[in-house]
Amino acid sequence: GAVVSQHPSRVICKSGTSVKIECRSLDFQATTMFWYRQFPKKSLMLMATSNEGSKATYEQGVEKDKFLINHASLTLSTLTVTSAHPEDSSFYICSAPMGSSGGGDTQYFGPGTRLTVL
Amino acid sequence: AQSVAQPEDQVNVAEGNPLTVKCTYSVSGNPYLFWYVQYPNRGLQFLLKYITGDNLVKGSYGFEAEFNKSQTSFHLKKPSALVSDSALYFCAVRPTGGGNKLTFGTGTQLKVEL
Repeated sequence: GAVVSQHPSRVICKSGTSVKIECRSLDFQATTMFWYRQFPKKSLMLMATSNEGSKATYEQGVEKDKFLINHASLTLSTLTVTSAHPEDSSFYICSAPMGSSGGGDTQYFGPGTRLTVL
Repeated sequence: AQSVAQPEDQVNVAEGNPLTVKCTYSVSGNPYLFWYVQYPNRGLQFLLKYITGDNLVKGSYGFEAEFNKSQTSFHLKKPSALVSDSALYFCAVRPTGGGNKLTFGTGTQLKVEL
């Protein structure tokens, strides 16, 4: 299957600082990528859709000024958690669809980034 | 709006026995259905998907799932469970014509014991 990487895999930061998480599709191009947040033993919550060459689309209740998304190229999307607070601590996962079957494309997920805000 | 239900938070199975992880869905029109597996502190790994055609879909690691339109179900099955199958399993749905945005179930923790 296709490979999606995330960096860093784990980050610990102080409250008030900003953290950038990278998501890369390693062997395919993705005009769209998705960012999820997962709480312990919980399902994935879609935060936003990252669109190459245009603004990200945020889900209801997600602060776009706090979670900045930039889709810099067809293989890279970044999520920046600005002015992080302890309640932002979570597991962040990105995904990218690959294929040409439209909505039937398989989404491939990155390994996730564990963010801990002290 | 679409939704997915995974009625069991946890399923316990003895190694060598068959396993079933249940999933039902609600969507307008025809669904695309997916199963993913997540190991601790890892991202999700794709297992299988139903797009169209044969209702029985075979996927990775010996898993299969059967699409049942009348029951709006897509249960995940494996004839003989392994301890290494122990993980968190997610069912997901996407309506045809709905782009690539997935809706996930709440997940089912599978525990396979010796």
